[in-house]
Amino acid sequence: RKEVEQDPGPFNVPEGATVAFNCTYSNSASQSFFWYRQDCRKEPKLLMSVYSSGNEDGRFTAQLNRASQYISLLIRDSKLSDSATYLCVVNKQSYNTDKLIFGTGTRLQVFP
Amino acid sequence: SQTIHQWPATLVQPVGSPLSLECTVEGTSNPNLYWYRQAAGRGLQLLFYSVGIGQISSEVPQNLSASRPQDRQFILSSKKLLLSDSGFYLCAWSVYRVYTEAFFGQGTRLTVV
Repeated sequence: RKEVEQDPGPFNVPEGATVAFNCTYSNSASQSFFWYRQDCRKEPKLLMSVYSSGNEDGRFTAQLNRASQYISLLIRDSKLSDSATYLCVVNKQSYNTDKLIFGTGTRLQVFP
Repeated sequence: SQTIHQWPATLVQPVGSPLSLECTVEGTSNPNLYWYRQAAGRGLQLLFYSVGIGQISSEVPQNLSASRPQDRQFILSSKKLLLSDSGFYLCAWSVYRVYTEAFFGQGTRLTVV
């Protein structure tokens, strides 16, 4: 089983739509969780961290369910500029090791 | 503020040639450092990570190696490139032993021909 799993998509949605991405992780000891955005042929950039209580940043809402080892990202009122690949990331930290494990990403295409 | 530099941006190398990609971080001390590779249309694969000078952990067996000769310098190398080494190589850093995000360099697009 992969350490971080995402639906690869693509998700094709019209402008203004609400879209949700899901991610599951296998290591119950994972401590930190993030969503990154990657545009075509560019480096990934942090979109938002995911906190246990859930958090919101404008049109973006992230949630974490530790019991189910599940992370989600909700995008409301989609814009054309939201078209990108969204990467779920889990930070696995223990003594003398610190790793960021990326999901393979979910591609979003917003059309007019 | 912290910045990460990675070069070159693009590289075309023949099979069997050596490789050296360099990454440096400015504005922070003792960062965690990472090398990832992304094959075309695929996810990010963690190749190496380092929590300190000379401390390198390898994630997957391959003909690549990494070194950290200085605190904020991370080098990815190969003695003989294979066609399968083609991909998008990304260096990243994060704050040591803090649960925080990583920041990426702009990447090197390597094509082995």
